[in-house]
Amino acid sequence: QKEVEQDPGPLSVPEGAIVSLNCTYSNSAFQYFMWYRQYSRKGPELLMYTYSSGNKEDGRFTAQVDKSSKYISLFIRDSQPSDSATYLCAMSASNFGNEKLTFGTGTRLTIIP
Amino acid sequence: DAGVIQSPRHEVTEMGQEVTLRCKPISGHNSLFWYRQTMMRGLELLIYFNNNVPIDDSGMPEDRFSAKMPNASFSTLKIQPSEPRDSAVYFCASSRDFGTGELFFGEGSRLTVL
Repeated sequence: QKEVEQDPGPLSVPEGAIVSLNCTYSNSAFQYFMWYRQYSRKGPELLMYTYSSGNKEDGRFTAQVDKSSKYISLFIRDSQPSDSATYLCAMSASNFGNEKLTFGTGTRLTIIP
Repeated sequence: DAGVIQSPRHEVTEMGQEVTLRCKPISGHNSLFWYRQTMMRGLELLIYFNNNVPIDDSGMPEDRFSAKMPNASFSTLKIQPSEPRDSAVYFCASSRDFGTGELFFGEGSRLTVL
């Protein structure tokens, strides 16, 4: 069993819809949770960063962490065609820069105009 | 800031040939990571360096793969001999030692081994 599980999709939704992306994990030591966004033929870039359980909002994006269920989510409100990308969850046990991140396999999202 | 710079962006080679991928991390970043990405397996960490020293190479698939970081501004990933199953996108990423631990990725080197 992988440490981090993520539905690969693909997921297609109409413009303006609310999108929900999810990951589950098995390592209870994970405390730092991230979402990276990867456009086609580009490297991943950090989108959201959260620590421990709770919600964090940044514009149209909300990251949610439920450590008791080992489940994290990313919500995108009022989705736009520019949100079309692959979204990867990532997590680690510490916030030191040399701490290894464990990535999900990514969910490919397409927003249909 | 120029970001993480990788070369070549694309490489097509024949089985058995040596492949060398290059990376220049962001200036001031202490950690450097090499990842491989495929559709089937996603992003896999191959090796990472801290202050130019290899810390964990447990992700290196086999002895055909080797990585070096001779100084703070340059790293190489070498595959010798290459095989078709090595075809993937190879990413280099760098980060600071402290803070959010955010990884800054390069644009990747797309390798095709025929």
